[in-house]
Amino acid sequence: KAGVTQTPRYLIKTRGQQVTLSCSPISGHRSVSWYQQTPGQGLQFLFEYFSETQRNKGNFPGRFSGRQFSNSRSEMNVSTLELGDSALYLCASSSRQADTQYFGPGTRLTVL
Amino acid sequence: QKEVEQDPGPLSVPEGAIVSLNCTYSNSAFQYFMWYRQYSRKGPELLMYTYSSGNKEDGRFTAQVDKSSKYISLFIRDSQPSDSATYLCAMSASGGSNYKLTFGKGTLLTVNP
Repeated sequence: KAGVTQTPRYLIKTRGQQVTLSCSPISGHRSVSWYQQTPGQGLQFLFEYFSETQRNKGNFPGRFSGRQFSNSRSEMNVSTLELGDSALYLCASSSRQADTQYFGPGTRLTVL
Repeated sequence: QKEVEQDPGPLSVPEGAIVSLNCTYSNSAFQYFMWYRQYSRKGPELLMYTYSSGNKEDGRFTAQVDKSSKYISLFIRDSQPSDSATYLCAMSASGGSNYKLTFGKGTLLTVNP
């Protein structure tokens, strides 16, 4: 079974721009979560989607948004990029039967 | 106080050593406990998963949860150079319909041949 895939793997943007990251969950998984990983803060929860609905949201500003499609694929968007948004953005998927999450390789975003 | 505390290390051990990694937490609602391994430039990989208190063993890895002390541990026996990675503890108040994990900051482990 293929794992979680994320595109693109690397991205360089400048301050003020916006960016969209994509995640394809493991086949059959309907829950998709997003996390931001930085050296200073570690892994922090952004939001979680299930059946196209956002069920949970972390403590991030409204510039961070996401959505999920009917095929469970998910996108997250960051608008008005700031230097501090430079991070590894990780997507994780879960099945209804599992109580844990499986991560993709991440998208490394650099904001200049 | 952070919800989950984890010593960032770095921890350096010789090959074959027993490694002990630990996390403490403050949220008594946490019931699901996980350990992830993350190699450089990769996403976290699930190693161990435990529900509530107790021990769980999988090959060279043993996970322990002591909810009364709010303390979890991961032991690695006969450590190998391929175990060199960052180890992250993660916790959740509930599984099933609430997939929100709270992570420790990770411990960087190096196993020297």
